[in-house]
Amino acid sequence: QVQLQESGPGLVKPSQTLSLSCSVSGASMRGDDYWGWIRQPPGKGLEWIGYSYYSGSTSYSPSLRGRVSISVDRSKKQFSLRLTSVTAADTAIYYCVNSGWPYYFDYWGLGTLVTVSS
Amino acid sequence: EIVLTQSPGTLSLSPGDRATLSCRASQSVSTSYLAWYQQKPGQAPRLLIYGASTRATGIPDRFSGSGSGTDFALTISRLEPEDFALYYCQQYQQYGTSLTFGGGTKVEIK
Repeated sequence: QVQLQESGPGLVKPSQTLSLSCSVSGASMRGDDYWGWIRQPPGKGLEWIGYSYYSGSTSYSPSLRGRVSISVDRSKKQFSLRLTSVTAADTAIYYCVNSGWPYYFDYWGLGTLVTVSS
Repeated sequence: EIVLTQSPGTLSLSPGDRATLSCRASQSVSTSYLAWYQQKPGQAPRLLIYGASTRATGIPDRFSGSGSGTDFALTISRLEPEDFALYYCQQYQQYGTSLTFGGGTKVEIK
């Protein structure tokens, strides 16, 4: 059973970079899995951010492309999200997710709230 | 980008009732690429259905998914108290790689 746990600052200033990590347990991270991020503004719906495939290839939401990057560190059993030039619109609960397919997500972290405010 | 429209926004039902949630896509979606999630307050979403009609591991058989093309549905045959929650549909578009969620349907106790 894969378990995911997000970590990172809960408050980020506008125009700065949001950086989150997701620790993985219960999985070796050596298989051909997808490791991704989804966010949810408070009281609103879900938005896919992107994912990284085991090969190192990545895929990002068109609305965030250019500001987002996802990387995987198998030696540390974690993967990371970087989102640059943040604004208040980036305030959300950020979930890290995992699946053996890019079509849906089996495993979710508990989520971490990131607020963008000065 | 494919837009998913879920209806109704809120469904008010009683335990034991049958619930039918709709998810309509702005373009045709492969049945392989349509999923449903359940989310309870303060919790992460949980995968219910993938491939439009396949239940995820551990999901009770009162949950079923159906549909094709642009019209999909999630049916809960007899609502249990723990089924009152938010439900989201989600699609994946292989070419151009895009993944979107519907706006959600809230199933509340009448």
